[in-house]
Amino acid sequence: EDQVTQSPEALRLQEGESSSLNCSYTVSGLRGLFWYRQDPGKGPEFLFTLYSAGEEKEKERLKATLTKKESFLHITAPKPEDSATYLCAVPILSGYSTLTFGKGTMLLVSP
Amino acid sequence: ETGVTQTPRHLVMGMTNKKSLKCEQHLGHNAMYWYKQSAKKPLELMFVYSLEERVENNSVPSRFSPECPNSSHLFLHLHTLQPEDSALYLCASSQEIASGTGELFFGEGSRLTVL
Repeated sequence: EDQVTQSPEALRLQEGESSSLNCSYTVSGLRGLFWYRQDPGKGPEFLFTLYSAGEEKEKERLKATLTKKESFLHITAPKPEDSATYLCAVPILSGYSTLTFGKGTMLLVSP
Repeated sequence: ETGVTQTPRHLVMGMTNKKSLKCEQHLGHNAMYWYKQSAKKPLELMFVYSLEERVENNSVPSRFSPECPNSSHLFLHLHTLQPEDSALYLCASSQEIASGTGELFFGEGSRLTVL
């Protein structure tokens, strides 16, 4: 069964303290891995798409990387405004390209 | 209005009530989705519509009834719900249902509480 597992469930950082979030997946024939950010009380917001192992994408303090089994979201020198829940998702091969999501990592960055 | 708009943002209903959630997208997309988000659980796909035709129903109980009158509007009709149905209901849209970019545009959600 296709699965997406994110770790840790929650992460607390001091401002400027870099770290990484993990998303591991077990799907046959990966057709992309997607990262979203969700602020409290809001819907998820798309961040990145990664298609192949070795690919990297960057946006401000965030960098997403992909291997054959997992993806990392690296956060460099985070700021309090980076506090959010970060979700990863992969398409499931059900005949349609619908996404299955992980439970997310809740990131809190303290000043 | 831009993006995906959901109303109401908050809804409290009794188990015998009938209510509806509304979603409107202003992006010219052809696919629309309902997701359920409960605490400590991943987003659960409920319904998928492509060009107003329902293409997927992930075994959702019949007390949830979707309606897609046109490609810009999506409704979720609720009746005789259970307390465990309390959750954040998210509407999303994408250019096409088989979009390889994985880019879904979400609304801000409707927070539902069933008493």
